[in-house]
Amino acid sequence: DAGITQSPRYKITETGRQVTLMCHQTWSHSYMFWYRQDLGHGLRLIYYSAAADITDKGEVPDGYVVSRSKTENFPLTLESATRSQTSVYFCASKGQGGLGDQPQHFGDGTRLSIL
Amino acid sequence: GENVEQHPSTLSVQEGDSAVIKCTYSDSASNYFPWYKQELGKRPQLIIDIRSNVGEKKDQRIAVTLNKTAKHFSLHITETQPEDSAVYFCAAILYSSASKIIFGSGTRLSIRP
Repeated sequence: DAGITQSPRYKITETGRQVTLMCHQTWSHSYMFWYRQDLGHGLRLIYYSAAADITDKGEVPDGYVVSRSKTENFPLTLESATRSQTSVYFCASKGQGGLGDQPQHFGDGTRLSIL
Repeated sequence: GENVEQHPSTLSVQEGDSAVIKCTYSDSASNYFPWYKQELGKRPQLIIDIRSNVGEKKDQRIAVTLNKTAKHFSLHITETQPEDSAVYFCAAILYSSASKIIFGSGTRLSIRP
């Protein structure tokens, strides 16, 4: 769906560097999520946000920082990248209500490689 | 911690046959179970979901069944077609808590012509 976009699509960086992955949605969805996808692990939730200025940890938050100053944006920052953070990162969003009311819509993903 | 086990990890079926993928969850409080399809290099997309107050749901060739007592749920695809080839993920979610979103590790489904 064109309503949620991630940038960059591909990123190569070095260990110890700071890198920020961007996520932007045009639906004014309340919820936004960040997942990482690794072989053998499926999708794992890193952080989520229920509304602007409200963020909370998911299953694997260590080494990541998020912010949500505006409803439409939910950047994910790796403050000091490590090789173990090499992965494909997906952003998702959904509207108000319980998690079963509306589906999550995923972005196209960012493939991040840390050398 | 909580987890979702998904089996098999790979599945190959003849075109026209049925495919079944099974997931078992550990958190008895989970009450929403979506299934996602992810084609190679693409984003995951929801194909069907079920809530804990329902035992079965069907949408054309796709169906999902839920056994709350045993804490397992399954995806059934009938009359498989080449376009069904993809990776399928199950998830167990607590409807009211976004922090409890756990995905299975995925099943790579291949349809043989």
